[in-house]
Amino acid sequence: GENVEQHPSTLSVQEGDSAVIKCTYSDSASNYFPWYKQELGKRPQLIIDIRSNVGEKKDQRIAVTLNKTAKHFSLHITETQPEDSAVYFCAASAEDTGRRALTFGSGTRLQVQP
Amino acid sequence: NAGVTQTPKFQVLKTGQSMTLQCAQDMNHEYMSWYRQDPGMGLRLIHYSVGAGITDQGEVPNGYNVSRSTTEDFPLRLLSAAPSQTSVYFCASSPESRLVQFFGPGTRLTVL
Repeated sequence: GENVEQHPSTLSVQEGDSAVIKCTYSDSASNYFPWYKQELGKRPQLIIDIRSNVGEKKDQRIAVTLNKTAKHFSLHITETQPEDSAVYFCAASAEDTGRRALTFGSGTRLQVQP
Repeated sequence: NAGVTQTPKFQVLKTGQSMTLQCAQDMNHEYMSWYRQDPGMGLRLIHYSVGAGITDQGEVPNGYNVSRSTTEDFPLRLLSAAPSQTSVYFCASSPESRLVQFFGPGTRLTVL
């Protein structure tokens, strides 16, 4: 089955700096890669996703890049703000299969220092 | 729309007790799933369903049962609770056309 590894497990940055979180996956059939943000005590919420037919996607201060050959994808947050502090999870799935299950990474706790 | 709802929010059980975690969605989503979240381990899939009457096992199904008699509801049953099942449980749903998962608020379960 799919295995997703996520690094780093914790990340502390100064407000205004950029943050980068990296994930690798093992199943070459995976073609859907979402990122979820989970604030303390809350549910995970989708912030951005990318499919294997594109290499990069941006949404305001957030961008995701995908390298299918190397089987890794990354989340980039620019101009970080204190409200970006949360745990971020990457995930992978093969959208074409009947299973349609997400395999999650272990999470990155991002702390943005004011 | 209420989205995905879960009850209860908190539950304490003794070892060996059984209980059902409730999950409902009002978005007419075909796909529903249950995850457990443990510190440092992300979210792990317990069971999932691709439609009413169809369920399948995920990564960590042992000790849990599910059924899907309606599109709206997907309860998770703990047959005989064990301390290893202490966790936060999230139910999620997604439409047939997309894999985006909408999570419920979670149930924090403690087994003593």
